[in-house]
Amino acid sequence: GQQLNQSPQSMFIQEGEDVSMNCTSSSIFNTWLWYKQDPGEGPVLLIALYKAGELTSNGRLTAQFGITRKDSFLNISASIPSDVGIYFCAGQLWDDKIIFGKGTRLHILP
Amino acid sequence: EPEVTQTPSHQVTQMGQEVILRCVPISNHLYFYWYRQILGQKVEFLVSFYNNEISEKSEIFDDQFSVERPDGSNFTLKIRSTKLEDSAMYFCASNVAAEQYFGPGTRLTVT
Repeated sequence: GQQLNQSPQSMFIQEGEDVSMNCTSSSIFNTWLWYKQDPGEGPVLLIALYKAGELTSNGRLTAQFGITRKDSFLNISASIPSDVGIYFCAGQLWDDKIIFGKGTRLHILP
Repeated sequence: EPEVTQTPSHQVTQMGQEVILRCVPISNHLYFYWYRQILGQKVEFLVSFYNNEISEKSEIFDDQFSVERPDGSNFTLKIRSTKLEDSAMYFCASNVAAEQYFGPGTRLTVT
């Protein structure tokens, strides 16, 4: 079945540092999505990527969809305390289910 | 801003009991989904629903599970006879294009 490999599993960084996480798959997806989940809450959509090679920003967040449609990265610049949480990459076929990665847990040290 | 809502936020039930989890998707959305997340694990697809029928379901979605859109706004997930391993967060999601929006979840605890 389709699986997404997300890395790293967790990150410990200092406030103000930049963050980079990525996701790879053996399958091609039409759309790549990045979600953030805070404890006890549902995933919140951060960025959606539709085209191979697409680079999209949302504030301090930047994500790119790989040329092969099998990978993506998410960068967070100048991290702040509210960036703490779990970041999930997700692949989606058109109007189909979302396959989630296992998540990257971001910790920010004071 | 429109959002997906879910009730209840937390449901405690005894093993073997039936539970119904409720969702109100975003009003102009056409595709509806249920996902679950066991504590500390990734979000897993359960079922997708379009045009009043199931489009796809995962192997988790066995005969104990059913979904229904009883009216124009609600979307429900029923677990007929709950098991301990059904304890998880259950998320409803909806979309009209590719961007899927999730509700806040219902935490189901089976004792």
